[in-house]
Amino acid sequence: DIQMTQSPSSLSASVGDRVTITCRASQSINSYLNWYRQTPGKAPNLLIYAASNLRGGVPSRFSGRGSGTDFTLTISSLQPEDFATYYCQQSYITPLTFGGGTKVEIK
Amino acid sequence: EVQLVESGGDLVKPGGSLRLSCEASGFTFSHAWMSWVRQAPGKGLEWVGRIKSKNDGGTIDYAVPVTGRFTISRDDSITTVYLQMNSLKTEDTAVYYCSMVSGYSYDYRRGTYHYAMDVWGQGTTVTVSS
Repeated sequence: DIQMTQSPSSLSASVGDRVTITCRASQSINSYLNWYRQTPGKAPNLLIYAASNLRGGVPSRFSGRGSGTDFTLTISSLQPEDFATYYCQQSYITPLTFGGGTKVEIK
Repeated sequence: EVQLVESGGDLVKPGGSLRLSCEASGFTFSHAWMSWVRQAPGKGLEWVGRIKSKNDGGTIDYAVPVTGRFTISRDDSITTVYLQMNSLKTEDTAVYYCSMVSGYSYDYRRGTYHYAMDVWGQGTTVTVSS
């Protein structure tokens, strides 16, 4: 199975801050990498697919980069609704696997 | 409006069985791939399995921890996907989500789409405890 490792596991930031989350795959997954946001008690929402493509309706403050084994999700200016947990997920091969999550908390 | 509604979650004893349902609306269900994902209390997301559309062969894939115990099926006539769970263990306790899988940009080198879990239901809670 492909292991997905996210870092950090949590971070504290303020509204307006720029935040970057890293995701590393245990083997190359080309650009088969998706990012999701989950707020407490809610289902996840897709933010980015194929490493760098914004899903329709997702604000442009979100961006994704990377290919191969190393990927990043950047939020250019944190908004109140962005205080949530973020997950990366590889869609390269089954079993599909998620990273452990990064919780973004209010400083 | 695209919508997924899960049901069937309950309290069940170890070794017991349960069937979850996910009713879909707002899209052409028969063309869609569907996934199940679970989340144990206070933990991260874990993929459970996926069923492709009949047009794409209807292939079903499972995560290792549930292989041989869980079965995914679909009934396109009533736009519903199921998760039959047998031989339940305490570690199967989780919120179970169904999701619609969408194919995005096509990778010509690999001959496949980039797939992502695009729309999610609200989840249904399964508790396995004696």
